[in-house]
Amino acid sequence: NAGVMQNPRHLVRRRGQEARLRCSPMKGHSHVYWYRQLPEEGLKFMVYLQKENIIDESGMPKERFSAEFPKEGPSILRIQQVVRGDSAAYFCASSPSSGGFDTQYFGPGTRLTVL
Amino acid sequence: GENVEQHPSTLSVQEGDSAVIKCTYSDSASNYFPWYKQELGKRPQLIIDIRSNVGEKKDQRIAVTLNKTAKHFSLHITETQPEDSAVYFCAASATGNQFYFGTGTSLTVIP
Repeated sequence: NAGVMQNPRHLVRRRGQEARLRCSPMKGHSHVYWYRQLPEEGLKFMVYLQKENIIDESGMPKERFSAEFPKEGPSILRIQQVVRGDSAAYFCASSPSSGGFDTQYFGPGTRLTVL
Repeated sequence: GENVEQHPSTLSVQEGDSAVIKCTYSDSASNYFPWYKQELGKRPQLIIDIRSNVGEKKDQRIAVTLNKTAKHFSLHITETQPEDSAVYFCAASATGNQFYFGTGTSLTVIP
């Protein structure tokens, strides 16, 4: 049973470009969470999605950031017009359901570097 | 919203000694408290969790205690080994959806 997959593992962008981060949850998991981890800091919740629905995006910056989890395919975290401050590790996690405090399984992360 | 504080930020112990990491939280509605271990450059992995209806949980050398009145919970690692060296994160959740993480403790076990 493959774990949570994220790609790319490393992404380099210049200021003003767009970054697309992909997350494929574990088989059987329908809930996806995105977190941002700045260097030497903890994990900051960004957004929680179910298939075709954004459930909680209270941690997402209001501008330039968006997320989706389509019916088919991976969840996408999109950052438009990246700035240096966006450089961080972005982790996604998945769980089989919500409300029952199911364990969240983390992917290996995408390390975004903005030049 | 919830605010989770974690101490210490760095911790060095001799191999075989115990390590204790403490977290406090602010939202009395939080009732699920997982602990994650993150090795350098790797993903966070759940090592133990506790729900608010219990005060302590053990799994071999790892234990977690919870004091709901004081709103704090702790991770205890006994008989530490070099492979325990990693960053440990505590988290709290009231909904099971949104998790608030502490800022992490970098544990170094000295052989």
